[in-house]
Amino acid sequence: NAGVTQTPKFQVLKTGQSMTLQCAQDMNHEYMSWYRQDPGMGLRLIHYSVGAGITDQGEVPNGYNVSRSTTEDFPLRLLSAAPSQTSVYFCASSNDRGTEAFFGQGTRLTVV
Amino acid sequence: QQQVKQSPQSLIVQKGGISIINCAYENTAFDYFPWYQQFPGKGPALLIAIRPDVSEKKEGRFTISFNKSAKQFSLHIMDSQPGDSATYFCAASRGGWGKFQFGAGTQVVVTP
Repeated sequence: NAGVTQTPKFQVLKTGQSMTLQCAQDMNHEYMSWYRQDPGMGLRLIHYSVGAGITDQGEVPNGYNVSRSTTEDFPLRLLSAAPSQTSVYFCASSNDRGTEAFFGQGTRLTVV
Repeated sequence: QQQVKQSPQSLIVQKGGISIINCAYENTAFDYFPWYQQFPGKGPALLIAIRPDVSEKKEGRFTISFNKSAKQFSLHIMDSQPGDSATYFCAASRGGWGKFQFGAGTQVVVTP
């Protein structure tokens, strides 16, 4: 039972480059979300989805895009990477009651 | 502006001692208050949670105390063990949509 799988685990980008962070879950959860974790700021919600084809913005959505074409996958796209996007990114899926978030192992992204 | 304020930022406790972490929130629409535990290099994992109709919840050595009128809740770790050394996040959500507002986190170190 893999749970939530994120790839890659580490990535270095140059300013202005674009990339996609992958997230897949095998728990058949409808709710999925992306957070970024920065020192002293906890986890902040970037985007979330309540089901295939439905996404919405979170607290810090600027510079990121998402789509949800299947229940299993929820990729996060960085359109034009900036140093301010250096962070650890976590994907999570939540059970039907939305009461527990299951997190992936994270992607550590550095933008130089 | 964080909707959930967490303190302290870090604490050191001796083995067998009590660790106490406090959180305060502003939004009275929040109806679910979980605590997450995170080890280095891992994603956060649900530790214990409470709803505002209950003043206290205990699971093993972990207890949540909830004060609805003060809009505060806290995590007590009794008989702290070196294996409890981790970062702890309080969180809040409303409506069961699987998205959470997190506190800034508390790094707990338990010395032998």
